Amino acid sequence: AQTVTQSQPEMSVQEAETVTLSCTYDTSESDYYLFWYKQPPSRQMILVIRQEAYKQQNATENRFSVNFQKAAKSFSLKISDSQLGDAAMYFCAYLYNQGGKLIFGQGTELSVKP
Amino acid sequence: NAGVMQNPRHLVRRRGQEARLRCSPMKGHSHVYWYRQLPEEGLKFMVYLQKENIIDESGMPKERFSAEFPKEGPSILRIQQVVRGDSAAYFCASSPRDPFLGSPLHFGNGTRLTVT
Repeated sequence: AQTVTQSQPEMSVQEAETVTLSCTYDTSESDYYLFWYKQPPSRQMILVIRQEAYKQQNATENRFSVNFQKAAKSFSLKISDSQLGDAAMYFCAYLYNQGGKLIFGQGTELSVKP
Repeated sequence: NAGVMQNPRHLVRRRGQEARLRCSPMKGHSHVYWYRQLPEEGLKFMVYLQKENIIDESGMPKERFSAEFPKEGPSILRIQQVVRGDSAAYFCASSPRDPFLGSPLHFGNGTRLTVT
C-alpha cells in the first residue's frame, strides 16, 4: 500500500530565510502525482504545488519549489524568502492513479519568526 | 465561481444523535470526495462519489457512516448514532473530472464535528 511520511513534526524559519520540508513516500506505481498542501489555522486546505511523476523537471510556483527524487521516493518542499503568512501546517500528499484518493502525510507545522 | 461550500462550519452533537454534513461542489464539478481529519493528523480518504454513484468507499467505516451525491442538491455525509471518536474535521473536495487527468482537487473549509 502507498504510504507518505513526513518526519519533521515541526519546523521553524526566520523571516526572509529559506526552509526545506521533507517528505518520503512508498509506491510500486510508476505514474502518479505528488502535492504539497498548506493548512493555516483557518483550516482551509490550499494547494501549494503539484508534481507529475513522469516529469523530471522539478515544479516551481513563485517562492515554492520542490526537489523530486523519483528513485529515492523523496519529495521535499523548499520555501524561499519565508514570509509570516507562510506559517501553517504543510501536508505532503500522493495521488493514486485512479480516482481522487489522496494519501496524506502526518504534516509539518511551520512557524515563521519575525 | 464560488468554491466548494461546506455547512455547517461547526456541528455539535450528543452521543447517539445523527450528524448530517453537507457539501456543494464547485460549479461544473461532478466528482466529490470526503476526507476526515482527526486531531494532530493528516486527512484520511473516506469516499469518492459521482452524481448518484458511489465510486470508492474503501475509507468509510463499515457501520453508521453513509454518503450520497444525488442528481440534484449537495452531497451529504451522514453519521448515525455518533460516538466521541467521530469528533473530527470533515472535508469535502471536488473536481470536474478524475484528478489524475490533470484537475486538482478543490477543498472546502471543512465541518468540525464535536460529539459531547
